[in-house]
Amino acid sequence: EAQLVASGGRLVPPGGSLRLSCGDSGFNFSTLSMNWVRQAPGKGLEWVSYISNIGTTQYYRDSVKGRFTVSRDNSKNLLFLQMDSLRGEDTAVYYCASGTYCGSDCYYFDSWGQGTLVTVSS
Amino acid sequence: SYDLTQPPSESVSPGQTVRITCSGNNLGTKFVSWYQQRPGQSPVLLIFLDTRRPSGIPDRFSGSNSGNTATLTISGAQAVDEADYYCQTWDSRTVVFGGGTRLTVL
Repeated sequence: EAQLVASGGRLVPPGGSLRLSCGDSGFNFSTLSMNWVRQAPGKGLEWVSYISNIGTTQYYRDSVKGRFTVSRDNSKNLLFLQMDSLRGEDTAVYYCASGTYCGSDCYYFDSWGQGTLVTVSS
Repeated sequence: SYDLTQPPSESVSPGQTVRITCSGNNLGTKFVSWYQQRPGQSPVLLIFLDTRRPSGIPDRFSGSNSGNTATLTISGAQAVDEADYYCQTWDSRTVVFGGGTRLTVL
């Protein structure tokens, strides 16, 4: 099971950039597909992005396409989220989570990190 | 885009059974997972593949999925079950979460 720790969240002005990181202290990070999921204050969970285990495939929710980029460094067991052109509505706790395919049309999150807070405000 | 709808809140008395629903178009043709999020904590996987429990999840949690509705059932609710519950599925290369249901045990 992945042992995930997200970091990098802070206060950033609108239009600014930020890079989040997520480290895994487990031993099989390179076999895991990974995701970023966010939660605005007092709101529900919202999936942000997905990256395959070797980083060749990425998916994004529509509201972050063209602004956010997910990547990973399997040699260092690290997942990243580069966030550009940040908006107030991006304010949230960002969780990294590993996922598992359970069929061609089935995917779930089996381990979650503790989350890091991103605040977009002037 | 695909939407999942959950009731905003439910309540249950200790020891009783509560059912939390998750509705979506032909949801029964998809696979649903459920997560529990206690206040101030990260989510935890409760149910995957509609009905399966990961190791360590108590058997008072069970799931079903048919037609347009998936259901998380908590049998013999306990005070520690007071939390937010989210359903989730996969559709067209995107992950979809329900809006969440806040469960109060009183």
